[in-house]
Amino acid sequence: TQLLEQSPQFLSIQEGENLTVYCNSSSVFSSLQWYRQEPGEGPVLLVTVVTGGEVKKLKRLTFQFGDARKDSSLHITAAQPGDTGLYLCGIQGAQKLVFGQGTRLTINP
Amino acid sequence: GAVVSQHPSRVICKSGTSVKIECRSLDFQATTMFWYRQFPKQSLMLMATSNEGSKATYEQGVEKDKFLINHASLTLSTLTVTSAHPEDSSFYICSAEGAVLTDTQYFGPGTRLTVL
Repeated sequence: TQLLEQSPQFLSIQEGENLTVYCNSSSVFSSLQWYRQEPGEGPVLLVTVVTGGEVKKLKRLTFQFGDARKDSSLHITAAQPGDTGLYLCGIQGAQKLVFGQGTRLTINP
Repeated sequence: GAVVSQHPSRVICKSGTSVKIECRSLDFQATTMFWYRQFPKQSLMLMATSNEGSKATYEQGVEKDKFLINHASLTLSTLTVTSAHPEDSSFYICSAEGAVLTDTQYFGPGTRLTVL
């Protein structure tokens, strides 16, 4: 059983469209992180959300932590080909980082 | 700041040989380093956690005699894949946790291993 369930696992959309990806769990977390990984590279931390209901913006990316701190979403506005990559949510478990399965996003020009 | 490097970035070897991958924290001291494995189109799977000066802690199902980890200094950890086989071909990624910012892991760029 996956601690973190990400959906969708694959998403392919046209440039300019909006999208939302989700990270869900039945457990409560003190914080949650979102990463983006491009092909052949390591993951890069985008944001850490800590407070229930928290919303953080990073240019066209909006991250939200659920009120109950069990889930999170990432919304991208006006997607661009440069947004293509694997988006991973992760939580800090017992001295280790646990990742969801990831959402592989492709933005077509 | 907080840069982690890996060497080599790509390696191709013959079946039965051993391959060493280095992970370095370039501008900070890392008391803990992590080694992940990633198969195509999948997420990262933690293989082991290494603490400087002590034995690594391996995740369930990871053979410690096959994947040797050494963390001899606060800036260097190595992963040696011993007697590599084609099924060991994968993308190996390390991360380092700072001595100060212990809630943040900084990832290396990964090493693509291909075993022929």
